Amino acid sequence: DTAVSQTPKYLVTQMGNDKSIKCEQNLGHDTMYWYKQDSKKFLKIMFSYNNKELIINETVPNRFSPKSPDKAHLNLHINSLELGDSAVYFCASSQEDRGISGELFFGEGSRLTVL
Amino acid sequence: AQRVTQPEKLLSVFKGAPVELKCNYSYSGSPELFWYVQYSRQRLQLLLRHISRESIKGFTADLNKGETSFHLKKPFAQEEDSAMYYCALSGIGYSTLTFGKGTMLLVSP
Repeated sequence: DTAVSQTPKYLVTQMGNDKSIKCEQNLGHDTMYWYKQDSKKFLKIMFSYNNKELIINETVPNRFSPKSPDKAHLNLHINSLELGDSAVYFCASSQEDRGISGELFFGEGSRLTVL
Repeated sequence: AQRVTQPEKLLSVFKGAPVELKCNYSYSGSPELFWYVQYSRQRLQLLLRHISRESIKGFTADLNKGETSFHLKKPFAQEEDSAMYYCALSGIGYSTLTFGKGTMLLVSP
């Protein structure tokens, strides 16, 4: 009954490959996010989707393409992987409601290592 | 633009000592401030938010608009408090959070 689940937890791949990370939430939330945590533990927003529509797209290379087939899923596809893409990617969800504004529910993270 | 600053990367204290993790923010409107915690091998989770004015696991944080600060405090640290702590800010109108760089708290016996 995990609230926000990501797969895979670990991903090791070669430079130049294309890979995807999947995220699913069963909380009924209408907003989902992808955050990147670098080697220094800095957390930075990448994308935010509300009801399957992109609402935030920070300065992220266009090699990164989020896809939201429905509001319970937000997948992250990365093309032509580079060494600098190595990081932990966190999916999160929230409900766009002023009553519980700001509470994000995070997945366990997906550690991507590019060799 | 909104920004969150946590000046300390690492804070190391002994068990029973007081703890203060610093957080300063920059935001032109009325912010909502939060502390998130990530224990070893666990997911990031909400610890507390300023609008609730609550104490969680002995931690409190007061929003000081004059100093634009939201420091996290605990009078007596416990070993199980060792974790990564992130201060976060949300602007009015949407829930997207801006996180600080985090402070690792290590509590030694």
